[in-house]
Formats: sequence, structure tokens, C-alpha cells
Amino acid sequence: DAMVIQNPRYQVTQFGKPVTLSCSQTLNHNVMYWYQQKSSQAPKLLFHYYDKDFNNEADTPDNFQSRRPNTSFCFLDIRSPGLGDAAMYLCATSGDGYTEAFFGQGTRLTVV
Amino acid sequence: AQTVTQSQPEMSVQEAETVTLSCTYDTSENNYYLFWYKQPPSRQMILVIRQEAYKQQNATENRFSVNFQKAAKSFSLKISDSQLGDTAMYFCAFKAAGNKLTFGGGTRVLVKP
Repeated sequence: DAMVIQNPRYQVTQFGKPVTLSCSQTLNHNVMYWYQQKSSQAPKLLFHYYDKDFNNEADTPDNFQSRRPNTSFCFLDIRSPGLGDAAMYLCATSGDGYTEAFFGQGTRLTVV
Repeated sequence: AQTVTQSQPEMSVQEAETVTLSCTYDTSENNYYLFWYKQPPSRQMILVIRQEAYKQQNATENRFSVNFQKAAKSFSLKISDSQLGDTAMYFCAFKAAGNKLTFGGGTRVLVKP
């Protein structure tokens, strides 16, 4: 089945140690999103790609970076994770324009 | 910038009854889509229903229906014949040109047996 896959499902990292989360899709969608979701809160958009065009949200910390080497894959890099970065990270994809987004199962990041 | 507001942090409903979730939004766009997403305790976000702004007819998907009032910028979700599996967080979301998908704060729905 076509889908959005996030790896790993759970990630534990040390304070200050760089970590990378990955997302892949088989939907061939132009748009890929990264959201941060803390407990019982709405997903907060960090950035999104339209093809290779990167769109950063104004309030996304510089600590968060992203790469999209091809249509299928997108990575979220956290350069120096702090305790406040512990959250669920959601990847989503959509077609161009007014279409709905499809979400992966998320990666729960713990910072110790 | 678009904003989406859900004024009800939590709602509870008896099984088989109906519950309505509120959503308002603010935009200067004329063309856009609105969505309701469900996030069960397992956490994967799934689409419940969508509404195109240019369509006057309210969308319906089985037990889920919306009341879309474009002039009032209101987009409520009605869940009829509630089932235990409807227990989840529900998020209202907005998407216009530019591909940015913006979420409201969410409403937690608890269906009681």
C-alpha cells in the first residue's frame, strides 16, 4: 500500500548529540512536511518542501534542519537536541494545491 | 497568515449520541480547503473529512458531516451515532495556495459506553 513511513518509531538521544529522523513516501507527492507535536497539543509546522523548494517557518529554531535528497525521502536533523525538543515528530505528504495531507506514524524523540 | 481556532478543549458524549465540534478560521484567501483530522491514542493522524471552500454543499462521510459557513468562517464537525472507536483528538486544519497546512489546537473527544 502507498504510504508514509517514518523511522525510527522511537528515538532516544543524548542532550546535545545530533540526531536524524527519516521519512519516506510511496505516494509520489510533491509536498513533504515536518511537524513537531508535544503532548496534547496541535502539530506545529517546522518546515515543508515543495519538490526541492524549502520553506522554513519563521519561528523554527536554527537547531532544526532538513534535507530532501529526492522525491521519496526527507530527513529532519536536530543539531544539538535540548530537553525541550522531546516530542513526537510527524512527517506528512500531499499533492500540490488543495489536497489533503497523509501522515506517517511519527517518531517519538526522547532527550536524556 | 491563517489561523485556526478550536474553542472546545474536550468533549464527552455517550455512545450512539451526537457530538458537534467547533472550528473557526481567519483568512483573506478566497480559495482553500478545510479538513478534520482524527488522531487516536495510537497517534497516527488520519483524515476524517474535507471541504472545498468553493462548494456550498456540506461534505458528508458516513457518520461524519460538516457545517461550513464561509461568510462566518466557521467549519464544525458533527459525529453522529458515536462509537467507542471515535475516541480521539480531532484537529481542524486549513490549506490554501502555498501548500501550508495549519492546524487548530484540537478537541479531545471521549465516547462513553
